[in-house]
Amino acid sequence: GAGVSQSPSNKVTEKGKDVELRCDPISGHTALYWYRQSLGQGLEFLIYFQGNSAPDKSGLPSDRFSAERTGGSVSTLTIQRTQQEDSAVYLCAAEPPGYNEQFFGPGTRLTVL
Amino acid sequence: GNSVTQMEGPVTLSEEAFLTINCTYTATGYPSLFWYVQYPGEGLQLLLKATKADDKGSNKGFEATYRKETTSFHLEKGSVQVSDSAVYFCALGSNYQLIWGAGTKLIIKP
Repeated sequence: GAGVSQSPSNKVTEKGKDVELRCDPISGHTALYWYRQSLGQGLEFLIYFQGNSAPDKSGLPSDRFSAERTGGSVSTLTIQRTQQEDSAVYLCAAEPPGYNEQFFGPGTRLTVL
Repeated sequence: GNSVTQMEGPVTLSEEAFLTINCTYTATGYPSLFWYVQYPGEGLQLLLKATKADDKGSNKGFEATYRKETTSFHLEKGSVQVSDSAVYFCALGSNYQLIWGAGTKLIIKP
């Protein structure tokens, strides 16, 4: 596609439920990032995928968070047993090899009631 | 560790005013520096970047110079327009990660 897409654009869930957020990166963009943007805050790095290498999960805030990337393309961020503090905009970004620029999706706004 | 500090907003200016949004950083080594912009209802997009000291990034009338001696990357524009209203983020590239400032909301009044 022309850009990075994310779905859903908005997700409202109840505390304790699991959610899955999806990212479709640009074809050929081997690097993929997930960030979290809380109200009035900068972006918080969550996880990084690069090709077939093991992902850098150092930014995941707890073991309730996990992510996978299938076939080097689509990625899913899963949050189990959601808490109210998980409410934020979750952003996905993709980067072509050697380009030094990340291309962002529109984000998923997650609200945990 | 690496960090980015940018001026708090919102910054409110009249059309055609001069804009400066301050950004300073703390880093080891020689990071790349970026300004990203988020227009209302849109995703983040790269505005400009600089990869080494004394480089000047420029785009859409905006400029920022990588100043190693003051560890700064201030964003400037000589004459702002209403369409420049957005949130601006300064970021530092460290290895493959971006370290982000908190963002500065810019409001331009006609």
